[in-house]
Amino acid sequence: QSVLTQPPSVSAAPGQKVTISCSGSSSNIGTNYVSWYQQLPGTAPKLLICDNDKRPSGIPDRFSGSKSGTSATLGITGLQTGDEADYYCGTWDTSLSANWVFGGGTKLTVL
Amino acid sequence: EVQLVESGGGLAKPGGSLRLSCAASGFTFSHYSMNWVRQAPGKGLEWVSSISSDNKYTYYADSVKGRFTISRDNAENSLYLQMNSLRAEDTAVYYCARDGVTAVDFEYWGQGTLVTVSS
Repeated sequence: QSVLTQPPSVSAAPGQKVTISCSGSSSNIGTNYVSWYQQLPGTAPKLLICDNDKRPSGIPDRFSGSKSGTSATLGITGLQTGDEADYYCGTWDTSLSANWVFGGGTKLTVL
Repeated sequence: EVQLVESGGGLAKPGGSLRLSCAASGFTFSHYSMNWVRQAPGKGLEWVSSISSDNKYTYYADSVKGRFTISRDNAENSLYLQMNSLRAEDTAVYYCARDGVTAVDFEYWGQGTLVTVSS
């Protein structure tokens, strides 16, 4: 059971838009920056969004991030078949001890 | 170009030990906190441990506290994870990851090394 809650799967057609939610609490998302990671099949994770809503160099502007209260959202527009991957949110949790926590991951299927 | 290359994975028996290494290049290693993240087969990402740039501070997930030790050698640009008292549930791909500039994300990842714990 992950500290951060993500939907197990989402799907949409090529060219469409999809959003992936990440729900936490005041000890993690509520007080710390959220980052998002893309893991293509058989590869290592890759940083997609940092500091809640910033794109690292080389990440297309089709990808966006936002945060409100204890929830965060990843948005992907103009879906491509190459976007099929697992997506994870992550942040520090400062409840009892300093721990980094990830969401359980969301499998994106581009139909 | 930032590169992180893990090594040291393999098969270990329950109760046994393994030492993972991560060779870093393409950036000033001593300026960044470093991390280990693992992924069990077919499962999600799980943070394992972090170490500050100056070796002063270390953090561990509850699941490995007291069994795993993270360390680094800034002169050798290397990160380590000593894993003792291994359990079947430690079976996973272990990734080395570098903090981002603001130290609130994992900006670069290695390709991972597989650790299998089985009798």
